[in-house]
Amino acid sequence: DGGITQSPKYLFRKEGQNVTLSCEQNLNHDAMYWYRQDPGQGLRLIYYSQIVNDFQKGDIAEGYSVSREKKESFPLTVTSAQKNPTAFYLCASSIKGARTEAFFGQGTRLTVV
Amino acid sequence: AQSVAQPEDQVNVAEGNPLTVKCTYSVSGNPYLFWYVQYPNRGLQFLLKYITGDNLVKGSYGFEAEFNKSQTSFHLKKPSALVSDSALYFCAVLSSGGYQKVTFGIGTKLQVIP
Repeated sequence: DGGITQSPKYLFRKEGQNVTLSCEQNLNHDAMYWYRQDPGQGLRLIYYSQIVNDFQKGDIAEGYSVSREKKESFPLTVTSAQKNPTAFYLCASSIKGARTEAFFGQGTRLTVV
Repeated sequence: AQSVAQPEDQVNVAEGNPLTVKCTYSVSGNPYLFWYVQYPNRGLQFLLKYITGDNLVKGSYGFEAEFNKSQTSFHLKKPSALVSDSALYFCAVLSSGGYQKVTFGIGTKLQVIP
């Protein structure tokens, strides 16, 4: 089955730790995105990538980092510099950038303990 | 700049009645408009989009949306609501002339009452 897979579903982070969220797609999509979802705030774009080895900051990139070494993979690292990382993180992909509809993963819920 | 507004936090409708979830937008240039649905603790699912052409767009699960350029609106509609339609609905906009980033609304919770 084609799709986009995020792992893990739940993740707990201690203060001062870096954690990496995985996102893999087998849809052969060029573009991939990371969003953060908080109650009452909708989705906010963290980073996006339109091609391998290239990515751009979104609206709330501070405290996050990404890589795009393979077309299928777009991992997100939440660093210790992110002061309020508890949120629901969504990865998405689309065929050719934002003008085409996005396919979303099932999300990772990150909690700081 | 581009923005999208979903003026209702929650919409309640009786099962079998028609439903409307409102969305208005602001862009420079022509808009690309999208509706997505999210069930609890899940990712978003694409419902429909407007790029150009017919103002009435039909999508998945019996949903449709009407593009109104003069009112800068893109309301989501369904003639007969089902309990299973209860979910969080997001409107999203992209300017055709802008940089390639979609802006999402804050979402509207739809509650269909049996």
